[in-house]
Formats: sequence, structure tokens, C-alpha cells
Amino acid sequence: GENVEQHPSTLSVQEGDSAVIKCTYSDSASNYFPWYKQELGKGPQLIIDIRSNVGEKKDQRIAVTLNKTAKHFSLHITETQPEDSAVYFCAASVRPSARQLTFGSGTQLTVLP
Amino acid sequence: EAGVAQSPRYKIIEKRQSVAFWCNPISGHATLYWYQQILGQGPKLLIQFQNNGVVDDSQLPKDRFSAERLKGVDSTLKIQPAKLEDSAVYLCASSLDTGLLDLAKNIQYFGAGTRLSVL
Repeated sequence: GENVEQHPSTLSVQEGDSAVIKCTYSDSASNYFPWYKQELGKGPQLIIDIRSNVGEKKDQRIAVTLNKTAKHFSLHITETQPEDSAVYFCAASVRPSARQLTFGSGTQLTVLP
Repeated sequence: EAGVAQSPRYKIIEKRQSVAFWCNPISGHATLYWYQQILGQGPKLLIQFQNNGVVDDSQLPKDRFSAERLKGVDSTLKIQPAKLEDSAVYLCASSLDTGLLDLAKNIQYFGAGTRLSVL
């Protein structure tokens, strides 16, 4: 089955700096890659996603890049703010309907004021 | 629009006891998922329902875990008997899932979860 590895497990940045989280996947058939943000005591919330036919997607301060050849994808957060502090999870799915998500182990992002 | 509702938020039991979790998905969502999230790990899918039918339960420990979604809306997840390693957050998610290849309609929305501690 699919295996998703995520790095780093913890990341601390100064407010205003950029943060980058990287994930690799094992199944070359995977074609959908969402990123979720989980705040303390809450369930994961989708922040951005990308399909395998797209190399990059941006939404304000958040961007995701995908390298299908290398089987890795990354989350980029620019101009970080304290409210960006949370655990971020990447995921991958081999189904076009985005079912059967396999999650990475998570990255605890701390934005220092 | 109301989100995915789960109860209870917290549960503490002793090993070998039984426990049940309840989930009410977003209205109109056909697909419902139960995930187990062990501390420091990502969510792991336990079971997926499409309306009231099971789509995938390959990772559900069926000797102790059971789940149902009788009327295609609410769902319950039960553990009997519980083991120490079952301590985790149990997350419920739902998606509209029209069955078509429309990713926007198949986004999974998560509830806040039930934190289970087995002593």
C-alpha cells in the first residue's frame, strides 16, 4: 500500500519568515495530495490540495509543489504568523475521488513572535 | 453549515471494558470515515461507509472493533474489549462524494474527535 513520509517532525520559525514542509510518497499511482492543518483539540482541516496533473498551486500565503518524477511534494508558507502555529499533515490518495487517504506523520510548526 | 459532530469528546476506561463513539456527519454527505490517530502520528483509516454500506474495512481490527451506519446518516464505532494500545483520538470525517470525479465535492471534513484513554 501507499506510504507517506513527512519531514521535519518539528519546525520553528520567526514570525514573517517562510516555512517549508516536505513529503514523499511510495505509490506512483497516487494522484491527489491534500494538506491538512490541525489545531490543538480540533480535527484536521483542509488548507490546500493538488492533483498530479499540476506542478504548483498557490492560495495567498500558502503554496504546494509536486514533483511526480521524484515522488515528493512540499508545502510552503510565506510571511508566517503566530496563528499558523499548528500540526500540518500531508496525505496522498491513489483514487481519483480522493478516498483512501494515507497521511504523513505530521509536522509541528511553531511561529515565534 | 454545521460541521461533523462527535461525542463524547473524552473517554477514560479500563482495559477490557467496552466503549462506543458517535458521529453525525455533515447533512447530505454520503461517505463517512472513521480514523484512529495515535499521539504523534497521522490519522489512519479504520473504516469507510458509502451511505449505509461498508466500502473498506481492511484496517479495522474486527476481533474487537465494530462500526455501523444503519440509516446512512449517523454512525457508531465500538471497541470491545479495549486494550491499552487503543488509546488514541478517534476522528470521524465525511464527504459529499457524488461518485463523480469531482475532487471539490470529495473533500473530507473532520470532526473534533473523541480522545480515548485506556488505563
